[in-house]
Amino acid sequence: TQLLEQSPQFLSIQEGENLTVYCNSSSVFSSLQWYRQEPGEGPVLLVTVVTGGEVKKLKRLTFQFGDARKDSSLHITAAQPGDTGLYLCAGGDQGGKLIFGQGTELSVKP
Amino acid sequence: NAGVTQTPKFQVLKTGQSMTLQCAQDMNHEYMSWYRQDPGMGLRLIHYSVGAGITDQGEVPNGYNVSRSTTEDFPLRLLSAAPSQTSVYFCASSYSSRSNQPQHFGDGTRLSIL
Repeated sequence: TQLLEQSPQFLSIQEGENLTVYCNSSSVFSSLQWYRQEPGEGPVLLVTVVTGGEVKKLKRLTFQFGDARKDSSLHITAAQPGDTGLYLCAGGDQGGKLIFGQGTELSVKP
Repeated sequence: NAGVTQTPKFQVLKTGQSMTLQCAQDMNHEYMSWYRQDPGMGLRLIHYSVGAGITDQGEVPNGYNVSRSTTEDFPLRLLSAAPSQTSVYFCASSYSSRSNQPQHFGDGTRLSIL
């Protein structure tokens, strides 16, 4: 069974700080997605990475897929209160299904 | 733009009752799936479908049934509700079953089993 370990589970920071969320596995994934979820809503896709070593940027968010396609990170620069939410990573297995990490609850205080 | 629509948004059941959670999408997506979300456990796949008439089990299928008679609809049935099925249920759809496709989620059904 493929597992994705996401860390940290909870993160509370001040506006303007930087942070990194990690997603790790012992298994190789064909792709890695990051989602953001707000209370009372479903997850919304932020990015998909498919190539080992790939880096994608979305404004202040930087996503990286590990060279061996077993891990990924999300880095937020100068966090803002609007970044508050649950961040989920999801790895694509060989059968086409998504394996989700446990999620990181981010709270950015003004 | 409706996207993925789930009904009801909230439901309270007694142990042993049955019910159907509805899910409909208007994007002509082939792939649909049901997840449950519990605190600290992320999203776990219950059942999925790669097209009308085809369904398969995910990671946690016990106690749930699905059917896919049309491309648009993918209902999830709880046969005999148990307190362990208290959770938030999400339906998702995507263009194809390839795992790099964006998943479009509904807003969830919050289910409590007493």
